[in-house]
Amino acid sequence: KQEVTQIPAALSVPEGENLVLNCSFTDSAIYNLQWFRQDPGKGLTSLLLIQSSQREQTSGRLNASLDKSSGRSTLYIAASQPGDSATYLCAVTGNQFYFGTGTSLTVIP
Amino acid sequence: GAVVSQHPSRVICKSGTSVKIECRSLDFQATTMFWYRQFPKQSLMLMATSNEGSKATYEQGVEKDKFLINHASLTLSTLTVTSAHPEDSSFYICSARLDTNTEAFFGQGTRLTVV
Repeated sequence: KQEVTQIPAALSVPEGENLVLNCSFTDSAIYNLQWFRQDPGKGLTSLLLIQSSQREQTSGRLNASLDKSSGRSTLYIAASQPGDSATYLCAVTGNQFYFGTGTSLTVIP
Repeated sequence: GAVVSQHPSRVICKSGTSVKIECRSLDFQATTMFWYRQFPKQSLMLMATSNEGSKATYEQGVEKDKFLINHASLTLSTLTVTSAHPEDSSFYICSARLDTNTEAFFGQGTRLTVV
């Protein structure tokens, strides 16, 4: 069964810093990998989708990479802002979604 | 991006009653919809996968008679929590996607409190 792990579980950075969130998965047979943001008590907002044939995707200050062979993905956030504070979840997808455990990010003004 | 609407956002019900949660894809036809449960400070736990017109596939440990899922159309899936008990109190989230290779979109979640 696919297992998805996210490190670190929590991260606190001062505003303006660049940061990297990590996601690892055990089974490389995936269709795609998706990064989400979740604010407290809310649903999930899709940030980036990387198809299995792709190596990275960019949207604004966000850049996500995918290395299927090593079972890893990273989410890079440039010039962090307090509004980036949220929980970030990665999910690998096939017929189902397998979610990581999440990284709780706090950006300190 | 596409919009998935989940209703209600919050519901409080008495123990023993049933609660229905709706999940609608507003601007695309969702072949597959997923229902998740999330406990505080934990990730999402997949409960079941539903494909339009067929029976839902439940994850191990999820009682299909307690959590009734209906996916009657390509834009609507419902989750009914039957004979709810306080331990069913949780945050329930649905998601929808067109097919396996496309982006999934999530509803805003339903906070269920059983008293």
